Amino acid sequence: KNQVEQSPQSLIILEGKNCTLQCNYTVSPFSNLRWYKQDTGRGPVSLTIMTFSENTKSNGRYTATLDADTKQSSLHITASQLSDSASYICVGPKGDGQNFVFGPGTRLSVLP
Amino acid sequence: DGGITQSPKYLFRKEGQNVTLSCEQNLNHDAMYWYRQDPGQGLRLIYYSQIVNDFQKGDIAEGYSVSREKKESFPLTVTSAQKNPTAFYLCASSITAGTEAFFGQGTRLTVV
Repeated sequence: KNQVEQSPQSLIILEGKNCTLQCNYTVSPFSNLRWYKQDTGRGPVSLTIMTFSENTKSNGRYTATLDADTKQSSLHITASQLSDSASYICVGPKGDGQNFVFGPGTRLSVLP
Repeated sequence: DGGITQSPKYLFRKEGQNVTLSCEQNLNHDAMYWYRQDPGQGLRLIYYSQIVNDFQKGDIAEGYSVSREKKESFPLTVTSAQKNPTAFYLCASSITAGTEAFFGQGTRLTVV
C-alpha cells in the first residue's frame, strides 16, 4: 500500500534557528516526491519537487534531500522566520500515476 | 491573473441539506481534484476529473457528487448522505493527471 509518513508531528523552534523535517515513503513505482507548505486556513503551495535522480534541491532557505535507497526525504529550513510557521506536507505519486498520496504533515511553529 | 478559486471560504449547513462548493480555474488545466482535510490526517481524495465530461471516484466519494461540464469548473456537492461533512475542502488542478497540483484556498464547511 502506498503510504507517506512524516515526523515529527509538530515542532516548535525559535526564530533564526534551523530545523529538519522528515518524510518516509513507500510509494511504488517511485517517480517523484513533492514538499508543500500550507499556511493555516489556506491551500498548500508547492515548495519543491524531487525526482529519483536528484538527491538534493534548494529553494531559497528550503533544502530538500532524497535517499531513494532508504525511501526517505527531508526538508531543511535554514534561519527560520516567523512566516515559516505552517504545516509542511510530503506528497508522493499514487501507483496509478494519476493521483497523489499525502503525508499527514508536520506542524511547524516559529516563535520570536 | 491566473489561478484556482474556491468559494465560499466559509459555509454553514444544516443537517439534511445539500450544499455545493465552487471551484474555478483559469490555468487551462485538464485535471481537477477535490480533497477533504481533517485535523491530523493527510488530504484524502474525494473525486477527480482528467478531462471535461469525465470524472472518477476517489477514496472517500460516498455522500459527495461532482460534475465537469466545463474545463474551468468542477463543483462539489456535499449531500445529506455524507454523515460527517464538517471539514476543510480543497480543490486542485494540474496540467494533466498526476502532474504538479495547484490548490485553491479552501472552503471550510461546518454542519450546524
